Amino acid sequence: AQTVTQSQPEMSVQEAETVTLSCTYDTSESDYYLFWYKQPPSRQMILVIRQEAYKQQNATENRFSVNFQKAAKSFSLKISDSQLGDAAMYFCAWGNYGGSQGNLIFGKGTKLSVKP
Amino acid sequence: NAGVTQTPKFQVLKTGQSMTLQCAQDMNHEYMSWYRQDPGMGLRLIHYSVGAGITDQGEVPNGYNVSRSTTEDFPLRLLSAAPSQTSVYFCASSYGGRREKLFFGSGTQLSVL
Repeated sequence: AQTVTQSQPEMSVQEAETVTLSCTYDTSESDYYLFWYKQPPSRQMILVIRQEAYKQQNATENRFSVNFQKAAKSFSLKISDSQLGDAAMYFCAWGNYGGSQGNLIFGKGTKLSVKP
Repeated sequence: NAGVTQTPKFQVLKTGQSMTLQCAQDMNHEYMSWYRQDPGMGLRLIHYSVGAGITDQGEVPNGYNVSRSTTEDFPLRLLSAAPSQTSVYFCASSYGGRREKLFFGSGTQLSVL
């Protein structure tokens, strides 16, 4: 069974600085995809970034980028120039292209605080 | 566009009561699912559907029923609520085929006393 591990329950960063959130996963599949979701206090789940396993190039979305290490099964999220609005829970998730496409396996989350 | 609409947003039940959490999407998505979110546990899949008339169990299906009579609607039924079902419930949907992302509803906070 697939598992997703986020080893940092809480992280803190100073405004305008950079922070990296860790995520590791375990799977025997070769074709899959990975997500980072943000959940602010509003409770809404917001997609931050998506990475397909067959792509070697790391995904980026403005201030958000990932470091995808397929062999190490690692998928960390880097937030540059942190802003107060980045404060939220961040969830790493794994999904595949099999029969139950769309069923995501989530990590337990990392609560990010941003200090002014 | 409304996207994924969940109702109600908040609900308090007594142990043993039944209720239905409603979920509707207007994007013609084939895939729909229900997750529950508990503190320190992330989101866990309850049930999912890959199309009208087709449902299957996820990781934590006990105590919940689902049906998918139309593409748009995917209600989640609690037959006899228990305190262990106190949680935040999310409905999500996505396109068929090579799914790009899950679209989430705004969640339902359920408390079972």
